[in-house]
This record gives sequence, C-alpha cells and structure tokens, in this order.
Amino acid sequence: GAGVSQSPSNKVTEKGKDVELRCDPISGHTALYWYRQSLGQGLEFLIYFQGNSAPDKSGLPSDRFSAERTGGSVSTLTIQRTQQEDSAVYLCASSASGVRYEQYFGPGTRLTVT
Amino acid sequence: AQKVTQAQTEISVVEKEDVTLDCVYETRDTTYYLFWYKQPPSGELVFLIRQNSFDEQNEISGRYSWNFQKSTSSFNFTITASQVVDSAVYFCALKMGRRYIFGTGTRLKVLA
Repeated sequence: GAGVSQSPSNKVTEKGKDVELRCDPISGHTALYWYRQSLGQGLEFLIYFQGNSAPDKSGLPSDRFSAERTGGSVSTLTIQRTQQEDSAVYLCASSASGVRYEQYFGPGTRLTVT
Repeated sequence: AQKVTQAQTEISVVEKEDVTLDCVYETRDTTYYLFWYKQPPSGELVFLIRQNSFDEQNEISGRYSWNFQKSTSSFNFTITASQVVDSAVYFCALKMGRRYIFGTGTRLKVLA
C-alpha cells in the first residue's frame, strides 16, 4: 500500500547491542517523526525531520539515540548499547508540510531488550 | 508550556450508548490545530478529526462529533451510538508549528 511502513515489526536484542529501525514515509511527505510508546503509555516525541532542514532532536532521551533521513525519504533510528528501558514500540509518522496537516503513522517496531 | 491532558484513563460503555472523551490543552500560541487519533488493538494510530484554532464550533462527521471551546481550552470528542469496533485507545493531540503534543490517551471499551 501507500502508507507508512516500518521494519522490522519486532526486534529482540540483547542488552548492549546496537539496533537500527527503519521507516519508509508516504511518498511526497516532507515531514517525518519518530515517537516512542512504552506499554500503556502515550507517545513520547523523539525526533523530527522536515525537508532539508536540520532535524529537531530535542526529544532524544540520550546520546545513544540517533536518527538520519537519507534523500528526504527513508529514515533510520539507531539505538546504541541498548538498555532494558529502551524496550518499547517505536512509531514513525509522516505528514505533508504545513501546520494543518495530520500525521500518518506506521505500524511500529516493537523492541524488546533482554 | 504546552500540554495536553486526558483525565479519563479508561471508559466502559455498552454498545449503542453515546460516549464523550475529554481533552484539555494548554498553549500560548494563537495558531494551532487539535487532533483526535484512534489506536485500535492492532496498534496502528489512525487520524480521526482535525480542528483549527480559528473556528470555535461544534462539528459532526458521521457518528463522530466534537466540541472545541477556546474559553475552557477543551476539545471533547463524542462517539454516537458506540459500536464494539470503537474499542480502542483515543489520543488527543495539539500541534503548534511543527511539533505535536499528545495526551496520555483514553482507553474506550465498548461492551456488546
């Protein structure tokens, strides 16, 4: 389909390992967001990309977290030296440019750190 | 500070009842948008409705209706004649510029 896709859908990793999560936004959407949702909780903003502008990284919880967006499309969220508290569902969303536009969410990646 | 509060953590209703989900927000911006999203058990958030800060009125879309009141900073969402498929977590969100602020969600259970 033409929606936001994320991979993998599930990831189990050992504490201390690095993980990469991928997001493919809707074609033509210039804005891309990453969120973290812990079990039964709301959405925690992580990072925002808009076109070629510098990303808004203000939500990243530590320097173990980083993200990039290549060619204004696909984005990768990297977590280094994973900790158990990183276990959560990581959601990606994209939207058209402009304050009035809603976000379209992907199905998420469930990360479990053992 | 910007903030979205959904005081109702969980609501249970019997099918066909009407249900209202409350949302209170805080912002100093004069231009903003408010949204409601639904997260069914499958997990994927789905956009439901949008409200801008300029038009203060009630709106209806099918079984959904919403009431936006700037004086009380409230953005309440009503489902009429609820159905079991409405069971989900509902999130209220505030957007100013490029950043979204989400509430903690209200879990709605519609019982058959």
